[in-house]
Amino acid sequence: ETGVTQTPRHLVMGMTNKKSLKCEQHLGHNAMYWYKQSAKKPLELMFVYNFKEQTENNSVPSRFSPECPNSSHLFLHLHTLQPEDSALYLCASSQEEGQGGDTQYFGPGTRLTVL
Amino acid sequence: GQNIDQPTEMTATEGAIVQINCTYQTSGFNGLFWYQQHAGEAPTFLSYNVLDGLEEKGRFSSFLSRSKGYSYLLLKELQMKDSASYLCASMDSNYQLIWGAGTKLIIKP
Repeated sequence: ETGVTQTPRHLVMGMTNKKSLKCEQHLGHNAMYWYKQSAKKPLELMFVYNFKEQTENNSVPSRFSPECPNSSHLFLHLHTLQPEDSALYLCASSQEEGQGGDTQYFGPGTRLTVL
Repeated sequence: GQNIDQPTEMTATEGAIVQINCTYQTSGFNGLFWYQQHAGEAPTFLSYNVLDGLEEKGRFSSFLSRSKGYSYLLLKELQMKDSASYLCASMDSNYQLIWGAGTKLIIKP
C-alpha cells in the first residue's frame, strides 16, 4: 500500500449506530488531519494531530471522536450522528504541522450517509 | 474574516487553455496551494507558491501576486482527463489551510 488509505469507502448508518472510520498513511509523515467535505462547500478542518498529539479541534460536535494511536493511523469514531453529517470525510497527512509549505496528501475519503 | 473566492464552474474546449482565478484574504500568509480533485477521488497536490511570479510544471502553471491577494492556475493543451474540480487554499499565519469551495472544470470535445 502506498500513500494514504481510508476504510470504508462508503458507509450508511442510522442515527443511533456507532461506527468508526480508519485512515492509514504510508508516507512517514508526522501530522494527520480529518476534513469534512460537503457539496459546493470548502473543506472543513475537523481535527489535527501532530506527533500523535491533538493540536486542533475545530469546534466539532462531541458525536465525532478522533483517535490517533500512532503517527501512521487515525480513527474517527462516530455515534448518534445527524442527517446533516452526511458528507465525504477526508483524511490527510503531512510531514509536520506548522511548517511553511507543508503539503498535505489526501486519502480517497469515506462517503458517509446518515439515515 | 478569512475568505477564498474562486469561480464555481468553468467550461473549456479540449486542446485550449484555461485560467482559474483565486482571490484570498487570510490572517497572515504562508503560501498558496492548488489541488485537483476528480469526482469521488482524493484531492491531489498540484502546486505551491509563496513568492510572487509564475511557476511552470508541464502543462500546468500557477501564478501568485501577494500584493493583490491573487493567484491563478493555468492549464494548457487541455485534455478530457483534466475535467475535475480545482481547489485553491491559502496557508494562514497559523499554518492552517483556508480552502475555497473549488472550481468545477468541464472540458468539451
